[in-house]
Amino acid sequence: GDSVTQMEGPVTLSEEAFLTINCTYTATGYPSLFWYVQYPGEGLQLLLKATKADDKGSNKGFEATYRKETTSFHLEKGSVQVSDSAVYFCAKGGGGSYIPTFGRGTSLIVHP
Amino acid sequence: DTGVSQNPRHKITKRGQNVTFRCDPISEHNRLYWYRQTLGQGPEFLTYFQNEAQLEKSRLLSDRFSAERPKGSFSTLEIQRTEQGDSAMYLCASSLVSSLSYEQYFGPGTRLTVT
Repeated sequence: GDSVTQMEGPVTLSEEAFLTINCTYTATGYPSLFWYVQYPGEGLQLLLKATKADDKGSNKGFEATYRKETTSFHLEKGSVQVSDSAVYFCAKGGGGSYIPTFGRGTSLIVHP
Repeated sequence: DTGVSQNPRHKITKRGQNVTFRCDPISEHNRLYWYRQTLGQGPEFLTYFQNEAQLEKSRLLSDRFSAERPKGSFSTLEIQRTEQGDSAMYLCASSLVSSLSYEQYFGPGTRLTVT
């Protein structure tokens, strides 16, 4: 069946380091792709999205590009901050289903 | 509108008791989803509504779980005869049918602990 696979965490970085969190998906249709962020004790917040191939989603310095040829949607940020420490979830929606599929999440820890 | 709200935020109950959670979606959103999340995992789909109609339920959803959305606005999730394995965060999310991107807006969750 359809799935979303994320790199395992935790990812531990120093402040101002470059971040990449890998995400790949399988789908029979053409889904929309999302990154959500979850801070401790809270629900998920939509971070960015892309709805078609080659679209780039961006928000708060984070970016991800919808790559249909590699079925990937990797999350990147050029310079992380301590406040970016959270769990990041890659997800897909649509593409023939109203039920979104979430990855298992990747914990990011940023040290000062 | 300030977003999706869920009540209570925390619930501790003894095994065998029934519990009910409430979700109030963003007012113009006509789709509402319930998820369960355990530590270190992503949200696991339980069920969803479009307006007041429950359109799909997960095959993993025990018959002890029931959800309603009687007027197409708020929703309730009830768990009967709770078990320790039901301990988890229960998340509600809402979305707009007309949104072509299928993005969802989540509430803060209800953390259930079954002792």
